[in-house]
Amino acid sequence: EIVLTQSPATLSLSPGERATLSCRASQSVGNYLAWYQQKPGRAPRLLVYDASNRASGIPARFSGSGSGTDFTLTISSLEPEDFAVYYCHQRSNWPTFGQGTNLEIK
Amino acid sequence: QVQLVQSGAEVKKPGASVTVSCKASGYTFTGYYIHWVRQAPGQGPECMGWINPHSGVTNYAQKFQGRVTVTRDTSISTAYMELSGLNSDDTAVYFCARVRNYYDSSGSFDYWGQGTLVTVSS
Repeated sequence: EIVLTQSPATLSLSPGERATLSCRASQSVGNYLAWYQQKPGRAPRLLVYDASNRASGIPARFSGSGSGTDFTLTISSLEPEDFAVYYCHQRSNWPTFGQGTNLEIK
Repeated sequence: QVQLVQSGAEVKKPGASVTVSCKASGYTFTGYYIHWVRQAPGQGPECMGWINPHSGVTNYAQKFQGRVTVTRDTSISTAYMELSGLNSDDTAVYFCARVRNYYDSSGSFDYWGQGTLVTVSS
């Protein structure tokens, strides 16, 4: 099973700041990595698929990069509605998710 | 619009079984794989298995082999997930999710059900 390790576990930032979230895979997943946003009591929402492609309706401030084992989700300027938990997900092998990064308001 | 609507919350005793349904609408049900994903409190999501709604072919995570069964009824565009031998570790929210790519078992998940809380307690 491919293990995804997300860092940091918690990120405290203010609206308007730039957020950088990391996801590292235990072995190469090529570009088969997605990012999701989840708010309390809600299902995850697809943000980015195949490492760098924004999903339909996702604002341009969200961008993904990376390949192989190291991936990054960047939110260029945080809006109040962006504070949530973010998960990465690989589909190279049996699908697995990371443990999440909690993006909280500073 | 695409929607996946799941059945309601369940409370089960240890050793029992639970079945969660997922009714799809707004797209061709047989064209997109459905995965079942669960999320224990405070944990990341965990993929349990998937079904090809067209053929009925399924695949399950090794962890759940022998305990999980995913089926579908194409006449009502609904997928089902049955989990047997429940224990307290199975207390979680269970989601169905649609794979984004047409006829692809392993894509990212673009639409999700609202989730079904299954509580296992004596």
